[in-house]
Amino acid sequence: NAGVMQNPRHLVRRRGQEARLRCSPMKGHSHVYWYRQLPEEGLKFMVYLQKENIIDESGMPKERFSAEFPKEGPSILRIQQVVRGDSAAYFCASSEGGMNTEAFFGQGTRLTVV
Amino acid sequence: AQTVTQSQPEMSVQEAETVTLSCTYDTSENNYYLFWYKQPPSRQMILVIRQEAYKQQNATENRFSVNFQKAAKSFSLKISDSQLGDTAMYFCAFMSSRWDDYKLSFGAGTTVTVRA
Repeated sequence: NAGVMQNPRHLVRRRGQEARLRCSPMKGHSHVYWYRQLPEEGLKFMVYLQKENIIDESGMPKERFSAEFPKEGPSILRIQQVVRGDSAAYFCASSEGGMNTEAFFGQGTRLTVV
Repeated sequence: AQTVTQSQPEMSVQEAETVTLSCTYDTSENNYYLFWYKQPPSRQMILVIRQEAYKQQNATENRFSVNFQKAAKSFSLKISDSQLGDTAMYFCAFMSSRWDDYKLSFGAGTTVTVRA
């Protein structure tokens, strides 16, 4: 059973370009979470999705950021018109759902905006 | 939003010795979950140990144990018989037990270095 797969591991974008980060949850997991980690800081919650639904996006910046988890395929975190401040590691986690289930993390995507 | 505080940015320990990492949190809820995650240089987030707030018994996992003080809102991690592979950043995290709030709130982390 493969773990949570994120790709790419590293992504370099110029200011103003779009960044697309992908996350394939563990098999059987229908809950996906995205977190952002700035250098020397802990992970900050961004968004929680279930298949075809955004459950909680309270941590998402109001502009330029969007996320989806379609019925088929991976979850996508999309950042439009990237700026240098978007440079960070973005982690995805998945779980079966429910309060007692463990969230498993991917290895993250390190986004660098130049 | 819940606040999780880790007051020790860095800790150093000799191999085979014991190190304790502190964590405090702020919540008005009575039931919740607490976690310690390890992040080695590979960046992979690895769950080390979890504690349910309604359980009085402190959780243990091999060389890792916690001291959970609910009234003080304190959740420290003890690493016994430290090994070189324990070198990593350690994050304390909080999760509500509310049915609609499954997100983790993380502390800023403590970098642990195990010296040979």
